Amino acid sequence: NAGVTQTPKFQVLKTGQSMTLQCAQDMNHNSMYWYRQDPGMGLRLIYYSASEGTTDKGEVPNGYNVSRLNKREFSLRLESAAPSQTSVYFCASLGGGAGGTDTQYFGPGTRLTVL
Amino acid sequence: AQSVAQPEDQVNVAEGNPLTVKCTYSVSGNPYLFWYVQYPNRGLQFLLKYITGDNLVKGSYGFEAEFNKSQTSFHLKKPSALVSDSALYFCAVRDPRNTGGFKTIFGAGTRLFVKA
Repeated sequence: NAGVTQTPKFQVLKTGQSMTLQCAQDMNHNSMYWYRQDPGMGLRLIYYSASEGTTDKGEVPNGYNVSRLNKREFSLRLESAAPSQTSVYFCASLGGGAGGTDTQYFGPGTRLTVL
Repeated sequence: AQSVAQPEDQVNVAEGNPLTVKCTYSVSGNPYLFWYVQYPNRGLQFLLKYITGDNLVKGSYGFEAEFNKSQTSFHLKKPSALVSDSALYFCAVRDPRNTGGFKTIFGAGTRLFVKA
């Protein structure tokens, strides 16, 4: 099992450019999540998906869109990147244990810089 | 709304001494609580969780945490710190009544520095 994988690992964008961060999990998990990590702010939830075909906004969704392509894949898109979106982005998935008692499994992260 | 507070940006402790990393939460009802650790340039790794039952839970690498409902706290502890414990620690809370994706909220993180 590869667990949760993310691509790319690093990316530099210019203001206004667009890009898609890819995430995939091979653990047959229903729920998937996108977080951003900023110094002193911890992890903030951007979007999450309870199951294939559904997505919901988290704490900081502005400037982002997501797609739950299938059960394995959950992508995050920046349509017009801004310097405020410079961050480390983590994808996570959650096992289907009874009543949400399972832990989340995290990918290695994507370090994004917007100039 | 659920929230988590980690009041200390950094905790410094000498190797061999006990350590405590504090966490308080706000959520209605009975929360699920988690601790994760992050080493440099890595994703988060699960340490332990409280779901129900005994208020003292034990986890990986000798860590434990005590759930205190009256104080809405879930402090992380270890009896004897190691230099290798130096890392960034995150507390997280999940409202089990939110069954639509089991949204999990994280604290800002506490950097633990263990000095040899």
